[in-house]
Amino acid sequence: DGGITQSPKYLFRKEGQNVTLSCEQNLNHDAMYWYRQDPGQGLRLIYYSQIVNDFQKGDIAEGYSVSREKKESFPLTVTSAQKNPTAFYLCASFPGDNSPLHFGNGTRLTVT
Amino acid sequence: GQQVMQIPQYQHVQEGEDFTTYCNSSTTLSNIQWYKQRPGGHPVFLIQLVKSGEVKKQKRLTFQFGEAKKNSSLHITATQTTDVGTYFCAGPTNAGKSTFGDGTTLTVKP
Repeated sequence: DGGITQSPKYLFRKEGQNVTLSCEQNLNHDAMYWYRQDPGQGLRLIYYSQIVNDFQKGDIAEGYSVSREKKESFPLTVTSAQKNPTAFYLCASFPGDNSPLHFGNGTRLTVT
Repeated sequence: GQQVMQIPQYQHVQEGEDFTTYCNSSTTLSNIQWYKQRPGGHPVFLIQLVKSGEVKKQKRLTFQFGEAKKNSSLHITATQTTDVGTYFCAGPTNAGKSTFGDGTTLTVKP
């Protein structure tokens, strides 16, 4: 089955720790995205990558970092500089040509 | 930059009642996409509208794209409890990025 896998589903961390969220896809899509969703709100773009070894900041990139060393993988690191890291994080890929986004199941991060 | 606004933010209906959510963009859209997110789940693609004035139906769901391609609506006829969730519209930007509305959360009372 082709799809996007995010792990883990739930993640708990202490304040001040960096944490990395995994996103893997086997859809052969070039473009991948990270969105953040807070309760009752829409999706806000954190980072995106259109091709391997290249990525751009989205609307709320501060306190986050990414890498794109392989086409299949686009991990997101939430650093201690992120003031309010507790949120639902969604990874997506894009096949191109006005097609819809394909989303992973998300990771719910709680930082205390 | 492009902004996409959705109203209402929340809608509570009795099962069997109709439901409509509206989406408005600050700029003309080449297309608009609708997604549904069940509680605790991830957004799932419902439909894409491309043509000015386009109307598409999926069973009890009717999607419309405005003549000016700046607004869209989703109408659900005779809601069921399975319709609960948050409905998002999204407009494309360059590089495949999508700008999402804040969504309309539908609750259905049986």
